[in-house]
Amino acid sequence: QKEVEQDPGPLSVPEGAIVSLNCTYSNSAFQYFMWYRQYSRKGPELLMYTYSSGNKEDGRFTAQVDKSSKYISLFIRDSQPSDSATYLCAMKPVDDYKLSFGAGTTVTVRA
Amino acid sequence: DSGVTQTPKHLITATGQRVTLRCSPRSGDLSVYWYQQSLDQGLQFLIQYYNGEERAKGNILERFSAQQFPDLHSELNLSSLELGDSALYFCASSEGKYRASQTGELFFGEGSRLTVL
Repeated sequence: QKEVEQDPGPLSVPEGAIVSLNCTYSNSAFQYFMWYRQYSRKGPELLMYTYSSGNKEDGRFTAQVDKSSKYISLFIRDSQPSDSATYLCAMKPVDDYKLSFGAGTTVTVRA
Repeated sequence: DSGVTQTPKHLITATGQRVTLRCSPRSGDLSVYWYQQSLDQGLQFLIQYYNGEERAKGNILERFSAQQFPDLHSELNLSSLELGDSALYFCASSEGKYRASQTGELFFGEGSRLTVL
């Protein structure tokens, strides 16, 4: 079993829809949770990060962490064609150097 | 632009060969990470260097090795290449002094796409 599980999709939605992405994990030591966005032929870039449980909102993006269920989510409201990318969840324990990544979910937003 | 530079962008070689991938981190970043990204395995951590010293090791094969030089650039050497080594290899850097940034933010280069025929 992988340490971080993420449905690779692909996911195709019409412009303006809400995109819902999620990951599950098995390591209870994870405390930092991140979402990276990767455009085609580019490297991943950090989109949002959350420490421990709770919600965090940044514009159209909302990240949620439920440590009791070992489940994290990313919601994209009013999705735009420019949001078309692969979204990777990542997480790490405190005082550890290594990020553990999910496989990534490929999202296409249709105009 | 993340500030991390990787060369070459594309590389095609044959099985059994050896290649070297090069990475220049962001100015001021002391930590360099190497990741392998393939379709079926996702992004896999290979190895981390901090200021010239190996700091953490992941799923790196014995046929692979890396080093970080005094000017902080890093090289990943892949030898006795097999078809299964075909993948995107990413270098990332972070601002960590003694450890990776608490936010977990890594700055990734655009990757080196290796094709082994």
